Amino acid sequence: SQKIEQNSEALNIQEGKTATLTCNYTNYSPAYLQWYRQDPGRGPVFLLLIRENEKEKRKERLKVTFDTTLKQSLFHITASQPADSATYLCALDIHSGYALNFGKGTSLLVTP
Amino acid sequence: NAGVTQTPKFRILKIGQSMTLQCTQDMNHNYMYWYRQDPGMGLKLIYYSVGAGITDKGEVPNGYNVSRSTTEDFPLRLELAAPSQTSVYFCASSYSSGGGHNEQFFGPGTRLTVL
Repeated sequence: SQKIEQNSEALNIQEGKTATLTCNYTNYSPAYLQWYRQDPGRGPVFLLLIRENEKEKRKERLKVTFDTTLKQSLFHITASQPADSATYLCALDIHSGYALNFGKGTSLLVTP
Repeated sequence: NAGVTQTPKFRILKIGQSMTLQCTQDMNHNYMYWYRQDPGMGLKLIYYSVGAGITDKGEVPNGYNVSRSTTEDFPLRLELAAPSQTSVYFCASSYSSGGGHNEQFFGPGTRLTVL
C-alpha cells in the first residue's frame, strides 16, 4: 500500500543552524510533492511544491529536494529562527492528481 | 478575501446525533476537500470535489456524506455520530485545471467531540 514516512521524533535545533526534515515514500510514483507548515490549533499552510522533473526548489530560506530514485524529499530551513518552530507536513498527489495524501508531519523546535 | 471559512469552530455531539460542518471559500476555487486529523496523525482525506455537482470518496469516507451544489460551499454531513469521529476537521480548496498541481488553502478547522 502507499505509504509516506516522516520522522516521528521531534527535531530540536539551535537558532541559526540548518534544519533538515525527511519525507520518504513507498509504492508511489508522484507527479509532484508539496510541503506545508502547521502551527498548533491551525490549518496547514502551503510552503513549496516540487515536480517530479525538478531536483531542487528554493524559496527564501527554504529549500526542497526531490529524488524519485530514492523516493525521498528533503526539506531544509537555513538560518533557522524560533519562529520556524512548527510541524511540517509533506504531501503527495493521489487520485490521479486531484487530491493529496499527507504524511504525519515532523515537529521542529528551534531554540534561541 | 476571507479565504476558507469553517463553522462551527467547536462542537460536542452525543452518540447518534447528526450535524453538518459548513465550509465556504471565496476564491472561486473549483477543487474542495475535507480532511480529518487525529492527534499525532496526518491528515486523512474524507471526500473531495472537483466542481459543483461532482464529489468523490477519499481514504476514510464511512460515516460521512457531502454535497457540492455551488462552487463556494462544500458541507460535510455526519449521520449517527460515533466516538470514532472525534477529531479535528479541515476543509481546503485549490484551483486546478486538469490535475491538482496547485497549493491547497486550508480553513481553521472544526474541533468535534462525540461523547
